[in-house]
Amino acid sequence: DAGVTQSPTHLIKTRGQQVTLRCSPKSGHDTVSWYQQALGQGPQFIFQYYEEEERQRGNFPDRFSGHQFPNYSSELNVNALLLGDSALYLCASSLFGRNIQYFGAGTRLSVL
Amino acid sequence: GNSVTQMEGPVTLSEEAFLTINCTYTATGYPSLFWYVQYPGEGLQLLLKATKADDKGSNKGFEATYRKETTSFHLEKGSVQVSDSAVYFCALSTNSNSGYALNFGKGTSLLVTP
Repeated sequence: DAGVTQSPTHLIKTRGQQVTLRCSPKSGHDTVSWYQQALGQGPQFIFQYYEEEERQRGNFPDRFSGHQFPNYSSELNVNALLLGDSALYLCASSLFGRNIQYFGAGTRLSVL
Repeated sequence: GNSVTQMEGPVTLSEEAFLTINCTYTATGYPSLFWYVQYPGEGLQLLLKATKADDKGSNKGFEATYRKETTSFHLEKGSVQVSDSAVYFCALSTNSNSGYALNFGKGTSLLVTP
């Protein structure tokens, strides 16, 4: 049974570019959440997707957007990258209405 | 708003020592509380959880009790091992019609030496 998988593992971009990160949820899960973890900090909630709609959003600008596909996989898009967007981006999956989330290993994004 | 405060690390202990990592929270409503662990280069793993006051979560020798009166959820282990070296995150979630989102503390780094 595959857990939560994320791709790519690492990514290097320059300021102003756009990036797309991908996540496949744990088998049987229908909800995907995205978190940003800056170095030495705890993860910060970006948004959550269920039934292909954004259901909740944290305190992140509109440069951060997402999508969920019919197979429950999800993408996180970040436009106009800033140096401060450098972080580990974590995807978590769950069943909607359940409060236990399972995390992937993350995508390490470096913005130069 | 919701927030979690953890004791700052790093915490360095000798093998077989007693571990306590303090966690307090502020929340509207009745949160569920969690401890997650992050090993080097990996994502977060759920260690234990508690969903209501006085619940005790436990796993792999770790324990934490949901104390509503002190708004705390301290993590404890009686005898740590070198393999417990990791970063530990306290987190909470509250229910909404839109599902659950986790609020994390900043994490506490634990190093256990032989």
